[in-house]
Amino acid sequence: IAGITQAPTSQILAAGRRMTLRCTQDMRHNAMYWYRQDLGLGLRLIHYSNTAGTTGKGEVPDGYSVSRANTDDFPLTLASAVPSQTSVYFCASSGQTLSGANVLTFGAGSRLTVL
Amino acid sequence: DAKTTQPPSMDCAEGRAANLPCNHSTISGNEYVYWYRQIHSQGPQYIIHGLKNNETNEMASLIITEDRKSSTLILPHATLRDTAVYYCIVIGSNYKLTFGKGTLLTVNP
Repeated sequence: IAGITQAPTSQILAAGRRMTLRCTQDMRHNAMYWYRQDLGLGLRLIHYSNTAGTTGKGEVPDGYSVSRANTDDFPLTLASAVPSQTSVYFCASSGQTLSGANVLTFGAGSRLTVL
Repeated sequence: DAKTTQPPSMDCAEGRAANLPCNHSTISGNEYVYWYRQIHSQGPQYIIHGLKNNETNEMASLIITEDRKSSTLILPHATLRDTAVYYCIVIGSNYKLTFGKGTLLTVNP
């Protein structure tokens, strides 16, 4: 089934530890995104990538890094996790449909708790 | 990309039409209006999009004003399963896609 796979589904992490959230898509979409979602704050863009080899900063990039070595994978790394990074993280990709729409497809999310 | 403004919450009776407004007064000529919804803790789901004409699909209708500064998403016969947060976003050629806080639609029995 075409779509986005995120891993892990959930994780509890000690503060100060390094963590990588994985995201893989099989739709050959050029653009990929990472969002975090916190109660009352909606979806906030962390980083994005227009195409393999390029990345850009979103609204809340501090404390996070990404890489885009190929089209399919877009991992998000927390170099030294802090409790304020406790959140639900959504990966998304976008590609054009036959009608020309630029539709985002989201993964199921990764729930991260930093203690 | 243009910013959008939506009411934080709305209620609707089951079986009635739900009309969700969105203001995007700074929209530019090449930017499309997209609507997504998020049910509970799932990932957001695409609903519909439009440029300047009204659009309809199996899920909803989108009405865009002539000046394109606002739009309305219409769920013609809301069901309990339509209870969700609805996001209106404007997308152009910029890949920095930002969402606001959306509108929590609660469909009541």
